[in-house]
Amino acid sequence: QVQLVQSGPEVKKPGSSVKVSCKSSGATFRKHAITWVRQAPGQGFEWMGGIIPMFGEPNYAQKFHGRVTINADESTSTAFLEVSSLRFEDTAVYFCARAQLQGDGNSYDWFDPWGQGTLVTVSS
Amino acid sequence: DIQMTQSPSSLSASVGDTVTITCRASQSISSYLNWYQHTPGKAPRLLIYAASTLQSGVPSRFSGSGSGTDFALTFSTDFTLTISSLQPEDFATYYCQQSYSVPYTFGQGTKLEI
Repeated sequence: QVQLVQSGPEVKKPGSSVKVSCKSSGATFRKHAITWVRQAPGQGFEWMGGIIPMFGEPNYAQKFHGRVTINADESTSTAFLEVSSLRFEDTAVYFCARAQLQGDGNSYDWFDPWGQGTLVTVSS
Repeated sequence: DIQMTQSPSSLSASVGDTVTITCRASQSISSYLNWYQHTPGKAPRLLIYAASTLQSGVPSRFSGSGSGTDFALTFSTDFTLTISSLQPEDFATYYCQQSYSVPYTFGQGTKLEI
């Protein structure tokens, strides 16, 4: 049973960066996609991007392209999300999740399981 | 981007009731529709994938469907999540998500309250 454990809460100042980690307990880390989704206070879920560790090439939602970096370390079965130039509106809970791959081996389908979430607060 | 619209945004029900939540996509998404349950402070939980397939370990009182026959699902935009015989642990917020195209988008959520 795969479990995803995320790093702890962060408080950051506007303009700074934050890096959130997501460690997988599963043996198939490199073959599955890890995706990142955030939820701002009182809002719904917003997909940010993901990576298939075996391929190493991340993909991003257009909205976050250039300000978000996703990578993975196969040796520790850990995925990372870095958000730079933080703004107040980046305050959110950030979740990682394993994404089932569609038949093309590249597109994502459903997300399961999810990590417990990491609260990132951007405050001056 | 594909817009996902859920209705209602909130719903009051009692233990033992049956409720239905609707999710409408702004364009056809075939059967690339998934449902999640979320309680604040917890990890979201996958309930249904591919419109109607129950995730392993999820009680059978949860069911999902799309409009029309298998053929018509190819052009489907309307989906439902039905929860029968509500249990206390079912009171949570439910989200649909399309995995037809990037960016993968979610509905705004339906909060199910006692």
